[in-house]
Amino acid sequence: GAVVSQHPSRVICKSGTSVKIECRSLDFQATTMFWYRQFPKKSLMLMATSNEGSKATYEQGVEKDKFLINHASLTLSTLTVTSAHPEDSSFYICSALYDPNEQFFGPGTRLTVL
Amino acid sequence: KQEVTQIPAALSVPEGENLVLNCSFTDSAIYNLQWFRQDPGKGLTSLLLIQSSQREQTSGRLNASLDKSSGRSTLYIAASQPGDSATYLCAVTPKSYQKVTFGTGTKLQVIP
Repeated sequence: GAVVSQHPSRVICKSGTSVKIECRSLDFQATTMFWYRQFPKKSLMLMATSNEGSKATYEQGVEKDKFLINHASLTLSTLTVTSAHPEDSSFYICSALYDPNEQFFGPGTRLTVL
Repeated sequence: KQEVTQIPAALSVPEGENLVLNCSFTDSAIYNLQWFRQDPGKGLTSLLLIQSSQREQTSGRLNASLDKSSGRSTLYIAASQPGDSATYLCAVTPKSYQKVTFGTGTKLQVIP
């Protein structure tokens, strides 16, 4: 099956700094990728849809200036958490769309903001 | 709006027991349904994916079934082992758009 990677798998940062998370489709091209966030003891929630060559589409309640998404190529999307705060600590997962409607998920990134 | 529910939220069984995890969804117009495993502090591991045209999928000791008409899927784990302890998530991909909806998960503990 298709493989999606995420880097880093785990990151710890200080409050106020920015953190970049990469999502790569390793053996296929993905014009669309998705970013999800998992709150403690809750399910994964879609944050935004990342489209190659255009602006991301954010779900209601997600701050686009806080969570910057860049889909720079057909195999790479990045999520940057800007001016991170402890409440941004969470588990972030990306997925890549494999035509026509199948998503392959990355392993996830655990962010801890001190 | 698709809603995905998993019952029970937590389950504890002795080693060797067969068990069933349940997933129900409100909109039967789905493209596929996927079961994942998540270990504490770790990422998702895909276990089984069932296309809407399929009734079940099997992998080793795992068997997942899908009944679209009733909006239900089950994950059957045979001869459970302590290593099966994890949170199991089901996720539904709808036909009409691409947003996957995840269930809240079932936390399984297999006691040696």
